[in-house]
Amino acid sequence: GNSVTQMEGPVTLSEEAFLTINCTYTATGYPSLFWYVQYPGEGLQLLLKATKADDKGSNKGFEATYRKETTSFHLEKGSVQVSDSAVYFCALLRGSNYKLTFGKGTLLTVNP
Amino acid sequence: DADVTQTPRNRITKTGKRIMLECSQTKGHDRMYWYRQDPGLGLRLIYYSFDVKDINKGEISDGYSVSRQAQAKFSLSLESAIPNQTALYFCATFGRSGDGDYGYTFGSGTRLTVV
Repeated sequence: GNSVTQMEGPVTLSEEAFLTINCTYTATGYPSLFWYVQYPGEGLQLLLKATKADDKGSNKGFEATYRKETTSFHLEKGSVQVSDSAVYFCALLRGSNYKLTFGKGTLLTVNP
Repeated sequence: DADVTQTPRNRITKTGKRIMLECSQTKGHDRMYWYRQDPGLGLRLIYYSFDVKDINKGEISDGYSVSRQAQAKFSLSLESAIPNQTALYFCATFGRSGDGDYGYTFGSGTRLTVV
């Protein structure tokens, strides 16, 4: 079946540091890939997505590239801010039921 | 108003009680989903529905039931709540958005505590 493995946290960084959160997946065919973010006390928001190999999703300074050869979709940001503190989820969409398969989430804390 | 509305936002209930979590949407989407979030486990699918006559079990449906009362309403019930059902529950829809792209829309979640 489909699965998503993402870097376990928690991750603690200083403001303006570089961020990488690793995500790899297992799926048949060509899934769509997503990063969702959950700010404290809130629901899930779509951060970025990519629907085919070599696509790069980007939003709010975050980027992730769909790498079919390494089955990866790592999240990066060049300079994090305190306001980026949240839980980040990698997810894939595949199959006729349009079910999202999530990773376990990575808690990011950015200190001033 | 939010596109996907969940009620209540928070609920504390006792072991053995029946409880219903409600979800309504204004997206006009046919596909609706209930997910459960536990710390360190991500989100897992409980049930999903493609229309009022189509209900499907997800990966963790035991102890839960659902009702699709209309295209816009999809309720999740715990017939006899137990403490390990304490979690954050999300309702979601899947369909075409205003920009023409397909995607998920999540509600704000219901935090359920079973004591």
